[in-house]
Amino acid sequence: QVQLVESGGGVVQPGKSLRLSCAASGLTFDMYGMHWVRQAPGKGLEWVAIISYDGSKKYYVDSVKGRFTISRDNSKNTLYLQMSSLRAEDTAVYYCAILPNYDIIKDHWGQGTLVIVSS
Amino acid sequence: DIVLTQTPLSLSVTPGQPASISCRSTQSLLHSDGKTYLYWYLQRPGQSPQLLIYDVSSRFSGVPDRFSGSGSGTDFTLKISRVEAEDVGVYYCLQAIHLPLTFGGGTQVEIK
Repeated sequence: QVQLVESGGGVVQPGKSLRLSCAASGLTFDMYGMHWVRQAPGKGLEWVAIISYDGSKKYYVDSVKGRFTISRDNSKNTLYLQMSSLRAEDTAVYYCAILPNYDIIKDHWGQGTLVIVSS
Repeated sequence: DIVLTQTPLSLSVTPGQPASISCRSTQSLLHSDGKTYLYWYLQRPGQSPQLLIYDVSSRFSGVPDRFSGSGSGTDFTLKISRVEAEDVGVYYCLQAIHLPLTFGGGTQVEIK
């Protein structure tokens, strides 16, 4: 079955960087656009970024533009989120996900990885 | 950006009774292809979100038929015909017609 497994979370100081990874299995990875969605402690879901199936197109929520970079390595079935200039408000559980896309009705989420930005 | 407003913020429901959640959008979610890309998710306690409804009213694979979605344009509703204990969690609507994708603020459903 499809598995998305995030890693790379942890405690990081404000202004520092962190890279999250999401390893995919059980699917043809390079067929799907991939998303990052985050959830601050006790808060709702916030969509963060999307990358197209081939990595050619990327889009970000305004609050992370210029600081976060989404990328993928289809040869490794892995999605990444490079986070820099981290702020306290970036503290959240970060999920990688395949979301429904027009006629492609797929829905797969990882278990999430917790990022805590604190001095 | 499209803002989705969910009401109520929380619901306390007796098992076997119905429940209804509203999601209102600041812009129409009707695409030029004739479809409306509004989805409903459930996040059970301690779990990742899971898709319940896609394209306003289609149930996702494995979703019980007590869940139904309706609406058009900017106003949408998720209904649970008879709430069960396993329906506890936070429900979110999601729009995917415009980037950035946006979620509603969530509706907490608990059992009385």
